[in-house]
Amino acid sequence: LAKTTQPISMDSYEGQEVNITCSHNNIATNDYITWYQQFPSQGPRFIIQGYKTKVTNEVASLFIPADRKSSTLSLPRVSLSDTAVYYCLVGPSYSGAGSYQLTFGKGTKLSVIP
Amino acid sequence: GAGVSQSPSNKVTEKGKDVELRCDPISGHTALYWYRQSLGQGLEFLIYFQGNSAPDKSGLPSDRFSAERTGGSVSTLTIQRTQQEDSAVYLCASSDLGYQETQYFGPGTRLLVL
Repeated sequence: LAKTTQPISMDSYEGQEVNITCSHNNIATNDYITWYQQFPSQGPRFIIQGYKTKVTNEVASLFIPADRKSSTLSLPRVSLSDTAVYYCLVGPSYSGAGSYQLTFGKGTKLSVIP
Repeated sequence: GAGVSQSPSNKVTEKGKDVELRCDPISGHTALYWYRQSLGQGLEFLIYFQGNSAPDKSGLPSDRFSAERTGGSVSTLTIQRTQQEDSAVYLCASSDLGYQETQYFGPGTRLLVL
């Protein structure tokens, strides 16, 4: 399984750019990298997904180096409402014929300070 | 239509009792996922359905856990002989086609085993 590692927490001031890196050293060829945001007492919400290089949407950018062993979620000009836990998801990972697993990181708690 | 719904939203039970947790995915979504999130922890993948079929049940924590999906829609996660360590939030998600698609999460069922 593609194990992921993220920083446990990060602090940032409002208006700054925040970069959260996820390590996934044994990512498989057919694995995608997806980032989710979770507010307290809510289910996670999709932010962005990529396979390689750079992906950008209206909310964030995702940078994936050529070896795909890590990925970086970039949040431009964060606000207080961006305070949440951010999860990196790598998957699917096949462990055998017909087998399927999804591996979430433990999440990074981002605190935005006024 | 509406998003993913889960019921009950909260469940308190006594150790040794059986519980059933229900997930109604977004209409038309063929893939359905169950996760468990213990207090202050990340998401633990439990099981994935493609249609009514679960190709890999190895993520279920023990043989007290079972899940089924009928009619390609509603899914039920059953925990038999509940233990205190089963206390957690159980999250359900669905996606349009399969595992590489964006997952839409429900609000979760908060289970407390006394």
